[in-house]
Amino acid sequence: RKEVEQDPGPFNVPEGATVAFNCTYSNSASQSFFWYRQDCRKEPKLLMSVYSSGNEDGRFTAQLNRASQYISLLIRDSKLSDSATYLCVVNEGTDKLIFGTGTRLQVFP
Amino acid sequence: DTAVSQTPKYLVTQMGNDKSIKCEQNLGHDTMYWYKQDSKKFLKIMFSYNNKELIINETVPNRFSPKSPDKAHLNLHINSLELGDSAVYFCASSQVAGGRTEAFFGQGTRLTVV
Repeated sequence: RKEVEQDPGPFNVPEGATVAFNCTYSNSASQSFFWYRQDCRKEPKLLMSVYSSGNEDGRFTAQLNRASQYISLLIRDSKLSDSATYLCVVNEGTDKLIFGTGTRLQVFP
Repeated sequence: DTAVSQTPKYLVTQMGNDKSIKCEQNLGHDTMYWYKQDSKKFLKIMFSYNNKELIINETVPNRFSPKSPDKAHLNLHINSLELGDSAVYFCASSQVAGGRTEAFFGQGTRLTVV
């Protein structure tokens, strides 16, 4: 089983749509969780951290379910500029950041 | 000012050659990493250093040797390059903040072995 699993997509959605990505992780001792965004031929960049209570940043909402070991990202009112690959990242401790394979999102007009 | 910078950005070389990639961060972070992103876009950790000490060494051929002369620099030397080494190599640095580790990445080095 992969340490961090994501549906690779692609998710093709129209502008204005709401889209959700899920991610599961295998190590129950994982300590912290993040969503990163990677544009084509660019480096990954932190989108948001994921807190146990759930957190929101504008159109983006992240949730963590420790019991089921999954993390989600919800994007509301999708924009063309949201097109990218979204990487689920888990910190297994001792600064070991494990990346999922990423979920590709394509927003069309 | 670039927070994490790596050079070169592109590297094309022949099989069997030895090459190095340099990385520097000006964020004052204690931890630095090398990640490899292959053609399937999977980003896999290779090494992690904390204050110049190796703390993570994933299953990587010993042709790959990281060196950290100080905590702001982490270089990657690759001996006897093979076709399968072609990938994008990302350097990153991180610091624990509020109990969380957030990583910042360099722009990547696209290595092509021919």
